[in-house]
Amino acid sequence: ETGVTQSPTHLIKTRGQQVTLRCSSQSGHNTVSWYQQALGQGPQFIFQYYREEENGRGNFPPRFSGLQFPNYSSELNVNALELDDSALYLCASSATKGTAKNIQYFGAGTRLSVL
Amino acid sequence: DQQVKQNSPSLSVQEGRISILNCDYTNSMFDYFLWYKKYPAEGPTFLISISSIKDKNEDGRFTVFLNKSAKHLSLHIVPSQPGDSAVYFCAASGTGANSKLTFGKGITLSVRP
Repeated sequence: ETGVTQSPTHLIKTRGQQVTLRCSSQSGHNTVSWYQQALGQGPQFIFQYYREEENGRGNFPPRFSGLQFPNYSSELNVNALELDDSALYLCASSATKGTAKNIQYFGAGTRLSVL
Repeated sequence: DQQVKQNSPSLSVQEGRISILNCDYTNSMFDYFLWYKKYPAEGPTFLISISSIKDKNEDGRFTVFLNKSAKHLSLHIVPSQPGDSAVYFCAASGTGANSKLTFGKGITLSVRP
């Protein structure tokens, strides 16, 4: 059973550029959530995808968008990058049934630096 | 407005002793609580959870206690080991499967040999 994998591990962009981050969910999981973790803070919820549709969104502007694919993998896209977007981006997958349905399992994250 | 608070940024304990990590929350709609451990350059790893219908859940060296009236939970690690040194996050979610997680800022635990 493979865990949650994210790519790339590190990324450097300049202000105004666009970025795409990728996530493969854990085997058997059909829901993917994305979080942003700024330095010294806890992860903050960006949005969640279930059955290829957005299923909840945190307090992030529309330039943060996402996709979920039929194999439950997901992408996070950020347009018009700002300096404050520099953070660790975490993807988490979870199941909708079973005893572990409330538990989200995280990948190692993508460290994004915006210069 | 921080709904999940971990007011102590760090904790240092001696190997073999008990570590007690505290967490407070303000949103009474939260009904499921989780603890995650995070090492540098890794993602958060799920440790233990508790539903609001319980006041205690135990898994090996880890026990989580929930006091709903005080909106307070704590993680006890007994005995503490040097490998437990990490950042610990408290998280809370609402009703229903896959509700979003709201995290605290984390506590850095150092276990001294």
